Amino acid sequence: KAGVTQTPRYLIKTRGQQVTLSCSPISGHRSVSWYQQTPGQGLQFLFEYFSETQRNKGNFPGRFSGRQFSNSRSEMNVSTLELGDSALYLCASSYTGEGGYTFGSGTRLTVV
Amino acid sequence: KQEVTQIPAALSVPEGENLVLNCSFTDSAIYNLQWFRQDPGKGLTSLLLIQSSQREQTSGRLNASLDKSSGRSTLYIAASQPGDSATYLCAVEGYNAGGTSYGKLTFGQGTILTVHP
Repeated sequence: KAGVTQTPRYLIKTRGQQVTLSCSPISGHRSVSWYQQTPGQGLQFLFEYFSETQRNKGNFPGRFSGRQFSNSRSEMNVSTLELGDSALYLCASSYTGEGGYTFGSGTRLTVV
Repeated sequence: KQEVTQIPAALSVPEGENLVLNCSFTDSAIYNLQWFRQDPGKGLTSLLLIQSSQREQTSGRLNASLDKSSGRSTLYIAASQPGDSATYLCAVEGYNAGGTSYGKLTFGQGTILTVHP
């Protein structure tokens, strides 16, 4: 059974650019959540999607957005990148978005 | 607002020791609690999931307990091995007005465990 797949694994971007990260959940899972992990703030919740609808959102600026496709794959977009956006971005999937989350290996984003 | 605290922040032990990692949370109205392991630069690996109606869960050398009333959970690792070296994270899932948290886990800062051969 394939796990949660995140691509790419590493990204280096310049300030002001935008970036799109991808997450493919476990087959049959319809909920995808996104988290940002930094040394200072730890793991922080960005948003959750279920059946192409955003159901929950964390306290991040509007530069952070996401979407989910009909096959449950999800993308996260960050526009106008700032140095502080450098982080490990993790996605997690579950059947319903209620417990039993499986995480991907993450995308390491470096903004220079 | 839910806050999760993990103690100690770091722990270094010789191989073979039994050890306890602690997690406390401020809002006892939780849906479940999950313990994860994270190796450097990697994603999170789920270790144990405890539903709010349960008191403990066991998997191999790992045992996690949950006391909702006191807002505490402990992860017990028996006969520690060098391969157990990692960061251990506790995460709680609470409720929103709609009756669920919809994918939102609140994490502690983690306990960095080092097991020496």
